[in-house]
Amino acid sequence: DTGVSQDPRHKITKRGQNVTFRCDPISEHNRLYWYRQTLGQGPEFLTYFQNEAQLEKSRLLSDRFSAERPKGSFSTLEIQRTEQGDSAMYLCASSLGDSPYEQYFGPGTRLTVT
Amino acid sequence: GNSVTQMEGPVTLSEEAFLTINCTYTATGYPSLFWYVQYPGEGLQLLLKATKADDKGSNKGFEATYRKETTSFHLEKGSVQVSDSAVYFCALRGYQKVTFGTGTKLQVIP
Repeated sequence: DTGVSQDPRHKITKRGQNVTFRCDPISEHNRLYWYRQTLGQGPEFLTYFQNEAQLEKSRLLSDRFSAERPKGSFSTLEIQRTEQGDSAMYLCASSLGDSPYEQYFGPGTRLTVT
Repeated sequence: GNSVTQMEGPVTLSEEAFLTINCTYTATGYPSLFWYVQYPGEGLQLLLKATKADDKGSNKGFEATYRKETTSFHLEKGSVQVSDSAVYFCALRGYQKVTFGTGTKLQVIP
């Protein structure tokens, strides 16, 4: 079991640039989740996929954010026109199903917007 | 909506001391409850879970009991080690997404 992987682990970008992150879930998991974690806070839910369908989006996910999971396997999270407030750790998680199954988290991508 | 409240840190303990980190929750229905741990520079790891009232989750000497009557899920360990130094997150899962507390940093000194 290789676990959830995320790429890149760190990204530094200038304000106004676009960035894209990738998440590879555990292979048999059909649920995939994106969270954002800022310093000193717990992760906050952004969006969720069941297979390739995006089923829920948080109000935190402004229209500059878009997420895809085209074949129901890996997922990408794109942020357009980055702002300094986007600086955070972006976490991906996957799950075999809904509650009570637990979510397994990747190591995260730390984004710094300068 | 769902919410989780956990005690603020940092918590500093000497090695072999007893640990309690308080966690209470607000949720509709019957959520599953979790404790996750985040070691420095690493991602979140599931520490333990409980899926129904009166369940006790345990792992690596840590324990927590799902108390529906007090809506609590306090984390305990009888004797902490330096290697337990990390940030601990209490969390609940209502159906799909997980709602986290703000985390409690634990520092164990030799």
